[in-house]
Amino acid sequence: DAKTTQPPSMDCAEGRAANLPCNHSTISGNEYVYWYRQIHSQGPQYIIHGLKNNETNEMASLIITEDRKSSTLILPHATLRDTAVYYCIEAGSARQLTFGSGTQLTVLP
Amino acid sequence: KAGVTQTPRYLIKTRGQQVTLSCSPISGHRSVSWYQQTPGQGLQFLFEYFSETQRNKGNFPGRFSGRQFSNSRSEMNVSTLELGDSALYLCASSLGGLDTQYFGPGTRLTVL
Repeated sequence: DAKTTQPPSMDCAEGRAANLPCNHSTISGNEYVYWYRQIHSQGPQYIIHGLKNNETNEMASLIITEDRKSSTLILPHATLRDTAVYYCIEAGSARQLTFGSGTQLTVLP
Repeated sequence: KAGVTQTPRYLIKTRGQQVTLSCSPISGHRSVSWYQQTPGQGLQFLFEYFSETQRNKGNFPGRFSGRQFSNSRSEMNVSTLELGDSALYLCASSLGGLDTQYFGPGTRLTVL
């Protein structure tokens, strides 16, 4: 079973920042937080991952709380193409990912 | 660098038949994992192969099997197909270890 908790859906206005929360209260010290997204009927796309420090790449930023029990994925300027299901995953190894239900993000024009 | 490719993209079979799906990983990647995605169960891990050896296995019946070749390409086989096997089958590749997995577009299997 997935060990993370995410809201089932969120809306965001185009051009605004989308902030997607995730609770992972049972995360252990050697587990990373991974974020993937899946656009309808396509394969999941890797976005970003982190252990305890905040991370940023060309797609998004990942903010992890100091106690590591929650994190927020930030898409700084959401576009219509960012509409997708976003999955937050805690994994000790990237080899076996356990996906939950994710958050359906809808970017509105 | 080319991404993960899966063939075929779409497949229709009837109950009782068997099917083989193929996955070509990103060049240089030695780990291939397979996942099943259905509306009811979501994305579930099937198994992972690394250097031609199965390294991890999910909770699926023995009808689901796989293998990996020396060039890291992988095949997944499902025997005695059931209606409930209709799903999107995804493979993902990585260098191995703690490296990030990258997914292919999937094979949409429909069992009639």
